Amino acid sequence: QSVLTQPPSVSAAPGQKVTISCSGSSSNIGNNFVSWYQQLPGTAPKLLIYENNKRPSGIPDRFSGSKSGTSATLGITGLQTGDEADYYCGAWDSSLSAGVFGGGTKLTVL
Amino acid sequence: EVQLLESGGGLVQPGGSLRLSCAASGFTFSNYAMSWVRQAPGKGLEWLSAISNSGANTYYADSVKGRFTISRDNSRNTLYLQMNSLRAEDRALYYCAKDAKLLVLRVSLDIWGQGTMVTVSS
Repeated sequence: QSVLTQPPSVSAAPGQKVTISCSGSSSNIGNNFVSWYQQLPGTAPKLLIYENNKRPSGIPDRFSGSKSGTSATLGITGLQTGDEADYYCGAWDSSLSAGVFGGGTKLTVL
Repeated sequence: EVQLLESGGGLVQPGGSLRLSCAASGFTFSNYAMSWVRQAPGKGLEWLSAISNSGANTYYADSVKGRFTISRDNSRNTLYLQMNSLRAEDRALYYCAKDAKLLVLRVSLDIWGQGTMVTVSS
């Protein structure tokens, strides 16, 4: 089991909005920054969000991140078929002195 | 172009050893913390280890602590992962990745290599 908890799957129609949750604890999300990654089939992960809500250059503003307490959320608006991928949250865990990832969420754009 | 290129993967027998390398280019390697992350076939991401930009501080997941050793050579712009006492469950695609922030270790990984496959089997 992963230290960070994500739903295994989410789905929505093209053009719609979807959110993906990531639940942790005070030792990780509660007191450290959260990152979000997109992994398209057969490719390496790609950083979408860092420091809870910042987007690297080149990431469209359709992708957003937020954090409240020990949970974080990735939002994707204007869904496209090209957004179909696995999404992972990640954070540093101060108690473990280790990085941790969520189990991943498979997004299906119906 | 900022790039990471892993090498050193392959087939090894249980109990054997392997050393992975990750050659960095296109950025000032010595300014960034680095991590190793693996992904077993059909499974999620598993963070394994990180090293500070200077190499002075290292961190490990419990699953590899005592078996794997991370190191770096800033003069060669290269990251390493020495893997000993390999087990069947270590079979995975191993990625190296660069921290996004200058001089700090946050495990916000903005650049990833293409991965190198490790298979442990007799």
